[in-house]
Parts: sequence; C-alpha cells; structure tokens
Amino acid sequence: EVQLVESGGGLVQPGRSLRLSCAASGFTFDDYAIHWVRQAPGKGLEWVSGISWKSGSIGYADSVKGRFTISRDNAKNSLYLQINSLRAEDTALYYCVKDIVGNYDFLTGYGMDVWGQGTTLTVSS
Amino acid sequence: QSALTQPASVSGSPGQSITISCTGTSSDVGSYNLVSWYQQHPGKAPKFMIYEVNKRPSGVSNRFSGSKSDNTASLTISGLQAEDEADYYCCSYADSSPYVFGTGTKVTVL
Repeated sequence: EVQLVESGGGLVQPGRSLRLSCAASGFTFDDYAIHWVRQAPGKGLEWVSGISWKSGSIGYADSVKGRFTISRDNAKNSLYLQINSLRAEDTALYYCVKDIVGNYDFLTGYGMDVWGQGTTLTVSS
Repeated sequence: QSALTQPASVSGSPGQSITISCTGTSSDVGSYNLVSWYQQHPGKAPKFMIYEVNKRPSGVSNRFSGSKSDNTASLTISGLQAEDEADYYCCSYADSSPYVFGTGTKVTVL
C-alpha cells in the first residue's frame, strides 16, 4: 500500500523552530517529487514547498520563503520540513504529498496523487 | 502568487449536473494545461480527481470531468450523488510556483 505518514507537529511557541517529518512506503520514494501542503483551520489548501527526486529543484511559497527549508533523505524514504521563526499564521494541518511525475528533476505541476493524513502544528504562546 | 478564484458554494439535486469554475490569470490557468482538481470530505485528506485539465486517475468515476477555456477551468459532476458532497479545490501550475490552489468550493447535494 502506498502510504505517507507525517509526524513532528504539536504546540509550539511563536519564534521557536520545529521539524516535520514524512515517512514514505509502498512506492519508489526516490523516483518522485514530494511536497508539503498545509490547511489552516477552516481554510483552504496552500502549497508550501516541494522538492524534486534528486533535490535538484526546490520551491517555496512566498509566504514561507526564508523561514522554511525542505529536504529529503532518499536512503531513509523520508521528507522533512524545517520551520524557523514560527508565527501564529503557520498554525495548520501539514500534509505530505506525492507528485504524479517521476524521474524528473524539476517541479512540474502535473498533480499530486497520494496524500498523508497530516500532522497538526499549532503556534501559540 | 494569488489563489485561483472559485465560487464559495454550489448545490444541486441528486441526478443533476453541476459545474465548478476556477478562474486564474494568463500567468497560470491561461498559459498551462496543468490544472488538477481535488475532492475533500470533512476531516479527510484531499483526493486526486483530475489532472492535466481533463484526465482522470484510475479509480475516479467518469461522472467527474474537467475542461478549460482561456483563464477559467471547470469541473463538472454529472449524475450528482450524496457522496459527492464535499469541498473541491482546483490547482494550477503557475509562472512563479508549481502549484497554486483555488479558494475552494463547497458542494451541497440537496
């Protein structure tokens, strides 16, 4: 079964840092770009960041550029999101999502077919 | 990159057809045939429904179809069923970002 399992969320004070993780199974992880998409409580979906299969192409939403860092460890079938200088507006459910395009070292925008269940980050004092 | 514009809500009776619009600009929807659609039931992760404007992934009902004209993409649900009641999000490739989502549309089955 193709699966993505996020972890690392929790309640964190503004200004602190946190790292989210995503463990993949059931597919050849290092063949695909993987993304983080978030959803604030009661709000819509927002693409946050993505990384291509060999990490040659990385992108960030303007809202997180400079504070978020995406990375992957293909040997561990894992994706990470380092979040610094946390803000209240970062409060959201963070999904790890698989791209449909494989074997291509660019972020292509064709679509995202496998979604994890998400990990909740709450930023509050 | 601004979110794509969708109507907040659309409703229809069982068996009817409904269409959800997704309006972007010449920097996203208008320039690329890379529009995808996602269905999200309450408390659940989104589900991949349409890609490259009008292609359906394996397992998605053929009651769902997509189209595009100029800067506006559309998702049509035909033969509306109770299980189609959910939130729907469009998404497009853009000049400045691989994925820009729409504002989301709540579909209600009357």
